[in-house]
Order: sequence, then structure tokens, then C-alpha cells
Amino acid sequence: GQSLEQPSEVTAVEGAIVQINCTYQTSGFYGLSWYQQHDGGAPTFLSYNALDGLEETGRFSSFLSRSDSYGYLLLQELQMKDSASYFCAVRFGAAGNKLTFGGGTRVLVKP
Amino acid sequence: KAGVTQTPRYLIKTRGQQVTLSCSPISGHRSVSWYQQTPGQGLQFLFEYFSETQRNKGNFPGRFSGRQFSNSRSEMNVSTLELGDSALYLCASSGQGGNTEAFFGQGTRLTVV
Repeated sequence: GQSLEQPSEVTAVEGAIVQINCTYQTSGFYGLSWYQQHDGGAPTFLSYNALDGLEETGRFSSFLSRSDSYGYLLLQELQMKDSASYFCAVRFGAAGNKLTFGGGTRVLVKP
Repeated sequence: KAGVTQTPRYLIKTRGQQVTLSCSPISGHRSVSWYQQTPGQGLQFLFEYFSETQRNKGNFPGRFSGRQFSNSRSEMNVSTLELGDSALYLCASSGQGGNTEAFFGQGTRLTVV
């Protein structure tokens, strides 16, 4: 089966940098995705890494190392609105159409 | 483009009843997946439909079923409801092959009493 591990909670202050690590075990790996979910809201897509390396999208960056079955999401210049849960998810299966989520990391940004 | 629409948003049912939830994907998306989200278990995959066929299935009992219509709209049904079925049920649609970014609806909050 598939399994993903990520920390349950991280606390940081505004302006700081937070790194959320995700390790995974899966077969037929296609890529690693990250989603953000605010309380009461729907998960929204942040980034997708299919190849090793760093993908940067504004204040958020995501990294993947397929040989280590490891990735991370980097949140820079933290803002209060970044307080949310962040989920890593692996795409796997013959056509990459299966998506399994980690348990989520709750990020709390303090003033 | 309109987003993923789920109805109803909130539902209260009694143990033993059954429930049907609806999901309208983004126009042009043919893959629809369903997830159950609870505080203790996170986002658990229920099943995925593509072109009216169930393509993938998670580890849920047979009480959980679904279907997809020719217009890609999907429904999921839970029969003989149990208290533990109380959760947020999320639907996500993806593009042509289903192996691209997933767009989630706001979910249906089901409470079983």
C-alpha cells in the first residue's frame, strides 16, 4: 500500500520560514503534490513535483527527491493567512490517476 | 469556469438511514474522486470514476458506493449509516486523464445521529 508521513503541527511567527517534510512509500510513483486547506474550506492545489528538484511559486516552494522518497514544502515570509493545514499527496498507479494524502500538517502563524 | 459543486452542503441523518451526495465536476473534467475527511483519519480515498466507470477504489465497506453519469456528474451513496460515518465528504475533479491537479468542492458535512 501507500503511506505518507508528515509532522502534525508546526508553529511559527509572521515573516518566518517553515519547512514541512513529507516522506512516502508507494509503488508506481508519478509525483508529489501539496494542498492547502483552511478551516472549513476545501483543499486547494499548491504545487506538483514529478521530477527531482525545487519548484518555486511565489512565497511557496516544493522539493522532491525520488531516490529518498522525500519531499518538502517551504513557506517563506509567513503571513497570518498562511495558517492552515497542508497535505502532501502522492500520485501513483499505472496512469498516475490515484492520489493518496498524508495526514496533514497544521501550520499556526503567530504575530 | 465554474468550480466543483457539491450538494447538499450539510446533512443530518439518523443511524440506519441511507444518504446520497452529489458532485458536479468542472466542465470538461471526466475524472471524479471522492474522499472522506475526519479529524482522526485525515483524507481517505473512497473511489474514483472516469467516463462512467469506477476506475479505483479505496478500502471502505460495501455500504459506500457511487456512480457517474454521462455528463460526468457523480453521486455517492452510503447505506445503513453508522455514527462513524459522520465526516466531511469531498469530491475532486481532474482533467482528461485524471493524473493532473485535483480541484476540490466545498464538501458535504454529514452528521449521523
